[in-house]
Amino acid sequence: DAKTTQPTSMDCAEGRAANLPCNHSTISGNEYVYWYRQIHSQGPQYIIHGLKNNETNEMASLIITEDRKSSTLILPHATLRDTAVYYCIVRAFSSNTGKLIFGQGTTLQVKP
Amino acid sequence: GAVVSQHPSWVICKSGTSVKIECRSLDFQATTMFWYRQFPKQSLMLMATSNEGSKATYEQGVEKDKFLINHASLTLSTLTVTSAHPEDSSFYICSATNPGQGREKLFFGSGTQLSVL
Repeated sequence: DAKTTQPTSMDCAEGRAANLPCNHSTISGNEYVYWYRQIHSQGPQYIIHGLKNNETNEMASLIITEDRKSSTLILPHATLRDTAVYYCIVRAFSSNTGKLIFGQGTTLQVKP
Repeated sequence: GAVVSQHPSWVICKSGTSVKIECRSLDFQATTMFWYRQFPKQSLMLMATSNEGSKATYEQGVEKDKFLINHASLTLSTLTVTSAHPEDSSFYICSATNPGQGREKLFFGSGTQLSVL
């Protein structure tokens, strides 16, 4: 599975959009981009995933560049409860084991 | 979303004793579950893949005799930390995929904080 690069930490003002970047320049054609987050002392929570088209759900939007070498997770109106570590993970769709390999993630601090 | 329940949430034990952690899929059948561990301020590290009815697959560097995994039913996997020592103190997290919601999504338990004295 391709490796990802994320900034170590980011700040965001409450109520503003939080844009979390992720680089995955070695991504293969059959690999999806997943985003999970982990609030302190809890298990990770699924946010969103995509292959090449932009995706949106009730939690966030995922923007993937045309060359698929990078993506951005957007939390449209960040709240204090969105403070967490956000993990960008690339995983092959053909992998039928389901396992995810976590990198270091981005610590997002939402401030009042 | 699918619910994965993990028990206990935290446990304190004496050095040399064994500790069992349970992971249950509450509203779906999981043929495969995964066990991770996480040290403070670090990311999750995959320990092993638990397969129902067969032996677990361990990641490189994880001692299979130290971390016993049993996946006897489609809704329960257990991780037993045998002869625990202080260096085994960590946050252990299980996860599973729900075939009914697509194998792509992995759902996680709430984790177990193990402290070995």
